[in-house]
Amino acid sequence: KAGVTQTPRYLIKTRGQQVTLSCSPISGHRSVSWYQQTPGQGLQFLFEYFSETQRNKGNFPGRFSGRQFSNSRSEMNVSTLELGDSALYLCASSLEGAYTEAFFGQGTRLTVV
Amino acid sequence: AQRVTQPEKLLSVFKGAPVELKCNYSYSGSPELFWYVQYSRQRLQLLLRHISRESIKGFTADLNKGETSFHLKKPFAQEEDSAMYYCALSGGGSARQLTFGSGTQLTVLP
Repeated sequence: KAGVTQTPRYLIKTRGQQVTLSCSPISGHRSVSWYQQTPGQGLQFLFEYFSETQRNKGNFPGRFSGRQFSNSRSEMNVSTLELGDSALYLCASSLEGAYTEAFFGQGTRLTVV
Repeated sequence: AQRVTQPEKLLSVFKGAPVELKCNYSYSGSPELFWYVQYSRQRLQLLLRHISRESIKGFTADLNKGETSFHLKKPFAQEEDSAMYYCALSGGGSARQLTFGSGTQLTVLP
């Protein structure tokens, strides 16, 4: 079956702009989570969506937002980009239930200049 | 607050030698613990989870609640084990939120 797909793979944006990243989960997975990966902070949880509702949120400013559509596809948006937002953004999808495996996409590499 | 600590950023062993990647966690409830691995140029993937109590690719990990540890072990390392390993914790319940350690880059030397 097809894995988690993230688009685009690479992005270069200017400070102050906004950006939207997309994630298509594995078919049948209704939970989609987003993570930010940087050399300094490692992998940090951004938020999780389930059935179009944000179920959990990490410690990130309000400039980071997301949404999920009825087909479980998810987008995350970052407004007023800062240089520190440069990172690899990973999306993961999973089935509902305890101990379920999170399947990760290959990520979107965002560079803010 | 939940926290995962992997004290070794880099670890090198020779092929055939035993390997242990350390992971300590902090969580007040009953955590779900995982090891994820990222091979070169591949996506992050699950290696094993503590509830399964199984051996994957020769790796095992035992949850020690007294020491709040979940160390990953393999008796005989192989060159193909070279990768980045992340220990991760989930607080359980319905929400899928993983707290990751900083990762250990394992290099198995020939």
